[in-house]
Parts: sequence; structure tokens; C-alpha cells
Amino acid sequence: DIQMTQSPASLSASLGETVTIECRASEDIYNGLAWYQQKPGKSPQLLIYNANSLHTGVPSRFSGSGSGTQYSLKINSLQSEDVASYFCQQYYNYPLTFGSGTKLEIK
Amino acid sequence: EVQLVESGGGLVQPGRSLKLSCAASGFTFSNYYMAWVRQAPKKGLEWVATISTSGSRTYYPDSVKGRFTISRDNAKSSLYLQMNSLKSEDTATYYCARMDRGRYYFDYWGQGVMVTVSS
Repeated sequence: DIQMTQSPASLSASLGETVTIECRASEDIYNGLAWYQQKPGKSPQLLIYNANSLHTGVPSRFSGSGSGTQYSLKINSLQSEDVASYFCQQYYNYPLTFGSGTKLEIK
Repeated sequence: EVQLVESGGGLVQPGRSLKLSCAASGFTFSNYYMAWVRQAPKKGLEWVATISTSGSRTYYPDSVKGRFTISRDNAKSSLYLQMNSLKSEDTATYYCARMDRGRYYFDYWGQGVMVTVSS
């Protein structure tokens, strides 16, 4: 199974700041990576697929990058509505696996 | 608008069975792979099952293989998860999710349904 190691586990940043969340796969996943946002009490929502493609309706302050085993999600100009947990997921191979999540708070 | 509405959750004793349903609307259900993903309380996400467009192919992680069965009724635009031999570690919110065409990520999710396994 492909293990996904996500960091940091939690993050506190100020409004307007830029934050980065990392995800490392245990083997090459050839850009088969998605990022999800889960606001408190809500279901997850797709942000990014294919490592760097923005899902429909997602604000452009979200971006994804990476290749091989290393991937990242960047949020520019942090806004209050970005308070959420963020998860990465590899879909290069079954079983589909998720990172453990990053909880983002506003300072 | 894509909508996925789960039902059938509740409290069940260990070793018993439960069947979840998901009603889909707003898209051509028969054209998409579908899946179930769960989330234990205060924990991360775990993929539970995937089914192909026709239902002929199914995929499961080892944690539920042999106990859970995913199925679909394309005429009713409905997805199901039959859960047998339930364990306390199956306690979670279960989400129905659509998988993007040709890829195995989840582009739309339902609101989730809670399953509690306890005596």
C-alpha cells in the first residue's frame, strides 16, 4: 500500500498570509494526487486534482504543485473561510489512501 | 447540481448488519464510478469501496474486504453499502462520493451518515 505522510498536523496563520501544506508518498504516484478541504461539521470538498489542477469553482488562491513523491498545497492571502482541515489523497494505485490531515486555524 | 443523499445509518450491535443507501441526482449516474469513504470520530478519511459504472467491478481495502459489499441500481440512480459482521472500529460517518471520469479521486460528496457499532 502507498503511505501518505502529511505535514504539519496543525497550522496557525494570520489573515492575508500564505500557507503551505506538504504531502509525501511512500513511492512515486505520478501526479495522481488530490487535495480536499473539510470545514467543521461538513463533508470534504475537492480542491485540486492531478496534483495541480483546480476543481470547478475553487478560488484561485489555492494551488497545488509537486511531482514524484513530494506534493504541496499552497493557500495565498489566507481568509477566514479557509479555516478547515485539509487532506491529500493518492489515486495512482489501489488501495486509495489519504494523508492524516492538516488542521488550519487563524491566529 | 450534483446531489448525493445518504440514508440508513444508526446504532447497531457488534456482529450485526446494516445497509446504507445513497440517492444521486443532478448527473447521469450510470456514467460514473461511485464510492464510499468513511471518517471515524475526530479522525481522518478512509476509502471503503468503489464500484464501476455497470457494477461488474468492485474494489475494497483489506479492512472491510469480505464483510462489506458495494452495489448500485442505475435505474434508480442509487448506491448501496451492505455492511456485515460489524465491529466497533467500523463506527464512523460514511460518505457517498462520485469519482471523476477515468480517475479515482472524489469530485462530489454527500453530507454523510453516522454509523455507530456498540452494544
